[in-house]
Amino acid sequence: NAGVTQTPKFQVLKTGQSMTLQCAQDMNHEYMSWYRQDPGMGLRLIHYSVGAGITDQGEVPNGYNVSRSTTEDFPLRLLSAAPSQTSVYFCASSQTGVAAKNIQYFGAGTRLSVL
Amino acid sequence: RKEVEQDPGPFNVPEGATVAFNCTYSNSASQSFFWYRQDCRKEPKLLMSVYSSGNEDGRFTAQLNRASQYISLLIRDSKLSDSATYLCVVLSRGNTGKLIFGQGTTLQVKP
Repeated sequence: NAGVTQTPKFQVLKTGQSMTLQCAQDMNHEYMSWYRQDPGMGLRLIHYSVGAGITDQGEVPNGYNVSRSTTEDFPLRLLSAAPSQTSVYFCASSQTGVAAKNIQYFGAGTRLSVL
Repeated sequence: RKEVEQDPGPFNVPEGATVAFNCTYSNSASQSFFWYRQDCRKEPKLLMSVYSSGNEDGRFTAQLNRASQYISLLIRDSKLSDSATYLCVVLSRGNTGKLIFGQGTTLQVKP
């Protein structure tokens, strides 16, 4: 009963380092997305994907890359970490289409600090 | 102006109280509306969808007013376990599932 799995749960980086946040779902969902959550800001969409091989930018894409080579996986890459990227990152997935009502299932989050 | 706005609170209420949260949205073309619940340091989870006619799930009632572009959540007979942050969420037009989140309203239920 895994649902959406994110790794790592915690990470500390130095400015300029790169890393990949992993996200996997086992529900065969077409839609996957990455959000960041900062105090007083709510969740903001970074990138999303409506299916394997298709990605698009959300509200705050700068400094992040994504790819979607399989339905299950949607990794988020930080190219050169900056202190402004200190945040809590959530991956989510859902089925698309009216019938599924676009209910989003979230992973447990990755808490990232950039020094 | 934020696309989805909520009063961040906190709302401090005693057990058994009735509490209501409002949320306003700016895009009149928004199609679907939800309330999510987020416990401290946890992921958001769907609490309930919001339908045009209003809907109820136990002690929780959600209402939608399209003319005034606001959504409400009413919690009756508050429990200690209701303490959490409640996120108002709006689905943008189309089937891509792009959700716009409000910053959340924090509820603290006291004994």
